[in-house]
Amino acid sequence: DTEVTQTPKHLVMGMTNKKSLKCEQHMGHRAMYWYKQKAKKPPELMFVYSYEKLSINESVPSRFSPECPNSSLLNLHLHALQPEDSALYLCASSQDPGNSNQPQHFGDGTRLSIL
Amino acid sequence: ILNVEQSPQSLHVQEGDSTNFTCSFPSSNFYALHWYRWETAKSPEALFVMTLNGDEKKKGRISATLNTKEGYSYLYIKGSQPEDSATYLCAFSGTASKLTFGTGTRLQVTL
Repeated sequence: DTEVTQTPKHLVMGMTNKKSLKCEQHMGHRAMYWYKQKAKKPPELMFVYSYEKLSINESVPSRFSPECPNSSLLNLHLHALQPEDSALYLCASSQDPGNSNQPQHFGDGTRLSIL
Repeated sequence: ILNVEQSPQSLHVQEGDSTNFTCSFPSSNFYALHWYRWETAKSPEALFVMTLNGDEKKKGRISATLNTKEGYSYLYIKGSQPEDSATYLCAFSGTASKLTFGTGTRLQVTL
């Protein structure tokens, strides 16, 4: 069983919809990440949160809006997405921000399809 | 744009075979090299995090080596089993904060 829980597992939405992806961890990790993975491509970093503050935004379009309400939760709010945004969205966490010699713990991902 | 390459892209071996894959990464500004195992419909699972040139790590039948000066890491699996079938991802860190993943090596082990 994964220690990082992502919901929903699957999401189909139209281009005008607003939806949110959720990620939760209870390991006391203070760094949390969103990745996007397209078929046959590696996961690509989107956002990093350190101590609940956004520390890295990899030039992600504003139709993706991350939020970290507390140290255990990470949301990704979606609005006016495009068909090319269809992908697997992975959440991960690690113990200490700014310390990439620690492993990241991943959720199972949300498979997103934009109609 | 960082170039992290893995070879081969896919590999098909028989149960009991030993195998190895390669991860190539930039040899400058090295911070850490991660290996993950990703089974279909599951989450990526961390295998190793390596930080020092010459590092060797082992977990059961799986081991990894690291050469930061020439920019490569090898992952070895001894006596492959069907449950080893997965995609093996390496991820390079040139800073303290983020990882750049390779495209992975997809391993299939058959009886």
